[in-house]
Amino acid sequence: AQSVSQHNHHVILSEAASLELGCNYSYGGTVNLFWYVQYPGQHLQLLLKYFSGDPLVKGIKGFEAEFIKSKFSFNLRKPSVQWSDTAEYFCAVIMKTSYDKVIFGPGTSLSVIP
Amino acid sequence: DAGVTQSPTHLIKTRGQQVTLRCSPISGHKSVSWYQQVLGQGPQFIFQYYEKEERGRGNFPDRFSARQFPNYSSELNVNALLLGDSALYLCASSFRTGPATNEKLFFGSGTQLSVL
Repeated sequence: AQSVSQHNHHVILSEAASLELGCNYSYGGTVNLFWYVQYPGQHLQLLLKYFSGDPLVKGIKGFEAEFIKSKFSFNLRKPSVQWSDTAEYFCAVIMKTSYDKVIFGPGTSLSVIP
Repeated sequence: DAGVTQSPTHLIKTRGQQVTLRCSPISGHKSVSWYQQVLGQGPQFIFQYYEKEERGRGNFPDRFSARQFPNYSSELNVNALLLGDSALYLCASSFRTGPATNEKLFFGSGTQLSVL
């Protein structure tokens, strides 16, 4: 079965530290890839997405992600985190054959310490 | 513009009861999907409806059912509630669907269901 894994369950960083959250998926076909963020008390929001083209995609709030097809990975990065980045981050995949069925990873909780 | 709205925001039920959750998509959106998010896990796909037809179903028992109305709003029904059904139920909408779509999903804030 198709699945998405995230490398870390909980990450704690100090402000200005660099961030990298790992994500891997298991599916051999064509996929669309996403990172969603859920701030405390708020709904899921799209951070960035990859459909095709340049494998390095830039999203909102200074986040970027790199799609490495050979590694089935889509890692999220930010060079310098802020306290306001404290949130739950979900990697997600849509397989091109399954309409809007989004498969989410288990999430990574990021806590940024001022 | 209003986003995806869900009601109620919180709900407490007992085992064996039935529950109906409601979702209103963003105006103009024709696709609605439902997800279950258990505490500490990522959302799990339950159903997707497009133009009032079921287009996808996740790995959930038949106790879960849904429908979409002519105005594209949707209801999720869960019968014979179990303790394990306690979760945040999310609704997401998009304008259209299909494997070639690049449509963005918009999520509602969810309904928190507690089964006692």
